Amino acid sequence: QITLKESGPTLVKPTQTLTLTCTFSGFSFSTSEVGVGWIRQPPGKALEWLALIYWDDDKRYSPSLRSRLTITKDTSKNQVVLTMTNLDHVDTATYYCAHRAPRSAGKTFDYWGQGTLVTVSS
Amino acid sequence: DIQMTQSPSTLSASVGDRVTITCRASQSVFTWLAWYQQKPGKAPKLLIYKTSSLESGVPSRFSGSGSGTEFTLTISSLQPDDFATYYCQQYSSYWTFGQGTKVEIK
Repeated sequence: QITLKESGPTLVKPTQTLTLTCTFSGFSFSTSEVGVGWIRQPPGKALEWLALIYWDDDKRYSPSLRSRLTITKDTSKNQVVLTMTNLDHVDTATYYCAHRAPRSAGKTFDYWGQGTLVTVSS
Repeated sequence: DIQMTQSPSTLSASVGDRVTITCRASQSVFTWLAWYQQKPGKAPKLLIYKTSSLESGVPSRFSGSGSGTEFTLTISSLQPDDFATYYCQQYSSYWTFGQGTKVEIK
């Protein structure tokens, strides 16, 4: 059974850096084509994909946020970490991590964490 | 970037109604299109992937169709548990979501 859980600060000040951790179980990065992505959702708004890291450490970033994001993985801990710099009020959102199934399965993000609400405020 | 546009933004319907939601892509995404259901305070749930493949455990009243730039999600007979917000997502080139369609009780 695949599970994911996000952790990190709930309140961040403007201009600070946000570090979120996704801890997962039920799969590993030893599986070819597996990925873990981050998606966010501002209150009352739509979902926005942020970044994704593949089993082979290949990384993809949203073009609009690329300069502010870094995604890494710790295979031994089954964790993926997202760092976002220079936070602003518009970054207030629920942040989700999700399992991206192997492309060969035809699927996309099929398992999601419960999400963590991050508020940017002074 | 590929943009995804859903219509309508809000849909009022009754239990038993047939409901159709449309999603348009700014360029072809072939059949790399998924649909999610999201309820308040919950994570999105994958319903359909690869345009028309039903995720395991999803009721057969949900179906998807389309290709290229135009796609539809159909709920054949709306049930009380189906009142939620639905998102399309392309995964042909990176990942982009539509703005969502809220299905509310009429």
